Amino acid sequence: GQNIDQPTEMTATEGAIVQINCTYQTSGFNGLFWYQQHAGEAPTFLSYNVLDGLEEKGRFSSFLSRSKGYSYLLLKELQMKDSASYLCAVLDSNYQLIWGAGTKLIIKP
Amino acid sequence: ETGVTQTPRHLVMGMTNKKSLKCEQHLGHNAMYWYKQSAKKPLELMFVYNFKEQTENNSVPSRFSPECPNSSHLFLHLHTLQPEDSALYLCASSQGGLPSSGNTIYFGEGSWLTVV
Repeated sequence: GQNIDQPTEMTATEGAIVQINCTYQTSGFNGLFWYQQHAGEAPTFLSYNVLDGLEEKGRFSSFLSRSKGYSYLLLKELQMKDSASYLCAVLDSNYQLIWGAGTKLIIKP
Repeated sequence: ETGVTQTPRHLVMGMTNKKSLKCEQHLGHNAMYWYKQSAKKPLELMFVYNFKEQTENNSVPSRFSPECPNSSHLFLHLHTLQPEDSALYLCASSQGGLPSSGNTIYFGEGSWLTVV
């Protein structure tokens, strides 16, 4: 079967750095997405990785290793507004999106 | 504001009721989706419409009935639901064709459904 694993919940301190991991076992791979979802709001697109390596976008970076079936989202200089759920999703060989259950990130002052 | 609007935002219905969820996208997209989001579970894809044609129906019970009258509007008709159907129902849209960095999915804020 196809599976995406993410930690259920993480806690970090304002101003710090946090890394949210995502491991996947899917039938094929055509890219990996990260979405952010604040409570009661729509998921919003953060990043897309299809090649190995690190993609940086301001305070957020996303890393992919296809050989390891692994990605992480790195958030730097954490702000209270970064408290949200972070969803990992993989495009399989049929271009179907397989979603993880999301990681709830709690930021403490 | 994501360009995808869902109504109502909250709905409570009895098991014998008939109701509908509405979704409208203002992005000029050609594909629209219904997802179910339950607590601590992955997003479940329910239906996909590409250019108004239904291309996915992921074994969804017949008590959920989608309708796509045009590429901007999508409905989910609900009839004789069960308490376990209580969840957040997310509508989404994309350009159509294969997802990629340039063809990402845009979500609405969802409709919270409670079946009593």
